[in-house]
Amino acid sequence: EAGVAQSPRYKIIEKRQSVAFWCNPISGHATLYWYQQILGQGPKLLIQFQNNGVVDDSQLPKDRFSAERLKGVDSTLKIQPAKLEDSAVYLCASSLVVASGGPYNEQFFGPGTRLTVL
Amino acid sequence: LAKTTQPISMDSYEGQEVNITCSHNNIATNDYITWYQQFPSQGPRFIIQGYKTKVTNEVASLFIPADRKSSTLSLPRVSLSDTAVYYCLVGNNAGNMLTFGGGTRLMVKP
Repeated sequence: EAGVAQSPRYKIIEKRQSVAFWCNPISGHATLYWYQQILGQGPKLLIQFQNNGVVDDSQLPKDRFSAERLKGVDSTLKIQPAKLEDSAVYLCASSLVVASGGPYNEQFFGPGTRLTVL
Repeated sequence: LAKTTQPISMDSYEGQEVNITCSHNNIATNDYITWYQQFPSQGPRFIIQGYKTKVTNEVASLFIPADRKSSTLSLPRVSLSDTAVYYCLVGNNAGNMLTFGGGTRLMVKP
């Protein structure tokens, strides 16, 4: 079974430029997550989709970050304009739909995109 | 939002059993406890999940006392390849967002 795919794997940009990351989840996984992981810290959830609807985006810096999930499959995360503090690994994960009130289903993570903002 | 506290780092030797304890004093009734493992340059990987008492799979065991205010991940007979960061998460799918803390950095030595 193919895992979660992300591209690009690495990206270097200058501050104030824009950048986009792409994620293709595991087939059949309705729930998709974007995380930001700064070096030495745990992943921080930015946004969670269920199909193509947003479940939680409370920690997404909406003045510069945006995300979409068209047709409930692939997703893109965009940063515009980038700041130095956006340097991090951006992880995409997917899982099966979870029943409300139940445990989170196992999340399957992609390899991540390492972003460096100069 | 249930907050978790776990040791920043631990050292062990090959062949030993490793127990990593996580505190979650304000765990909610509907919350589950989940552990993930992360190797360098990779995304986290699910290890085990439980609600109460003991859960065991082919990789680890999870011990949860009756008050559920803490949990212990037990890794039997660790090897060098178990060197990783281990995250304890508490939450459910009814608004209590699953949050990764800082994790425990386990170093297994020969």
